[in-house]
Amino acid sequence: KAGVTQTPRYLIKTRGQQVTLSCSPISGHRSVSWYQQTPGQGLQFLFEYFSETQRNKGNFPGRFSGRQFSNSRSEMNVSTLELGDSALYLCASSPRRDRELRRQYFGPGTRLTVT
Amino acid sequence: AQKVTQAQTEISVVEKEDVTLDCVYETRDTTYYLFWYKQPPSGELVFLIRRNSFDEQNEISGRYSWNFQKSTSSFNFTITASQVVDSAVYFCALSDTGNQFYFGTGTSLTVIP
Repeated sequence: KAGVTQTPRYLIKTRGQQVTLSCSPISGHRSVSWYQQTPGQGLQFLFEYFSETQRNKGNFPGRFSGRQFSNSRSEMNVSTLELGDSALYLCASSPRRDRELRRQYFGPGTRLTVT
Repeated sequence: AQKVTQAQTEISVVEKEDVTLDCVYETRDTTYYLFWYKQPPSGELVFLIRRNSFDEQNEISGRYSWNFQKSTSSFNFTITASQVVDSAVYFCALSDTGNQFYFGTGTSLTVIP
């Protein structure tokens, strides 16, 4: 079974631009979560999607948004990029929102650099 | 509010030494889940263990062992006879009833040959 894939792996953008990152979960997984990882803040939860609906949202400004498609693939978008948005963005998928499972499978991440 | 604290930012040990990574959590939920993940230099987080709040049994898996103590809200991770391949950043995480994950800031472990 293929793992979680994220595209692109690396991205360089300029302040003020917007960016869209993509995540394909493991086949059969319906829950997708996004995290931002920075040296100073560690891993911070952005949002979770399940069945095309946002179920949870972390404490990030509205410039950060996401969506999930019917095939469970997910995208996240960051508008009006700031230097502080430079980070590793990780996507994680899980089989379902089953409390007994709750194991997340992480992708390799997208390294975003904002200049 | 949920919170996970990993007070050890960086640890260096010599190969074959034992090392314990500390994790302290805060939650008001009675049902919650605790996790440890490993992040090697490649960047991809690797699941190590999940423990639910009703199961305080310690677990051993090869050279890895975990000590869960609800009385002190701790979920510590011990690597016995460390190896160079254990060098990575290790994250402790808590998942609440809302399926949201809270990660600690990670402990960077360096095993020196």
